[in-house]
Amino acid sequence: DVVMTQSPLSLPVTLGQPASISCRSSQSLVHSDGNTYLNWFQQRPGQSPRRLIYKVSNRGSGVPDRFSGSGSGTDFTLKISRVEAEDVGVYYCMQGTKWPITFGQGTRLEIK
Amino acid sequence: QVQLVESGGGVVQPGGSLRLSCAASGFSFSNYDMHWVRQPPGEGLEWVAFMRTDGRDIYYADSVKGRFTISRDNSKNSLYLQMNSLRAEDTAVYYCVRGRTDFDPWGQGTLITVSS
Repeated sequence: DVVMTQSPLSLPVTLGQPASISCRSSQSLVHSDGNTYLNWFQQRPGQSPRRLIYKVSNRGSGVPDRFSGSGSGTDFTLKISRVEAEDVGVYYCMQGTKWPITFGQGTRLEIK
Repeated sequence: QVQLVESGGGVVQPGGSLRLSCAASGFSFSNYDMHWVRQPPGEGLEWVAFMRTDGRDIYYADSVKGRFTISRDNSKNSLYLQMNSLRAEDTAVYYCVRGRTDFDPWGQGTLITVSS
């Protein structure tokens, strides 16, 4: 199975400051069709997960442009340019390239 | 709007069975692959099962293989998860999720508690 490793697991951030979460996969996530199926999700307290980013760097509908995704192969990053109070929650990366689909452990973002 | 609504959760004894349903609306259900994903209380996300649009491609996590069965009824815009031989470690919120790689959107989830 592809192991997804996120860091840090806890991320205290000051309002208005940037934040960055790393996600590394144990195997390349480049699919035979040429796409890289790496998604990022946000789960606010008490809510269902919400997709933020798909295929590494594509923002989902309605996702603020302060969220951005980058990376390739086995190394990926989610960045928040200026953290707002509503960004508090847990962030997960997920690979959809190889079966079984696997998620990272989650990174808990809190306001400092 | 696009909506997924899970139902069927509850408390069940170890070894028991339960069937979850996911009602889809606001989109052409028959055109979308679907997943079940679960989340134990206070823990992370675990992918459980996948079914393609026509039901021909099915995948399961090793942790549920042989015990859980995913199915769908495109005429009823519904996805199902039959869960047998339930164990304490199956306790979780179960979400249905749209799209083979999209994973968007997620339902609100339904809680399954396996306890005697």
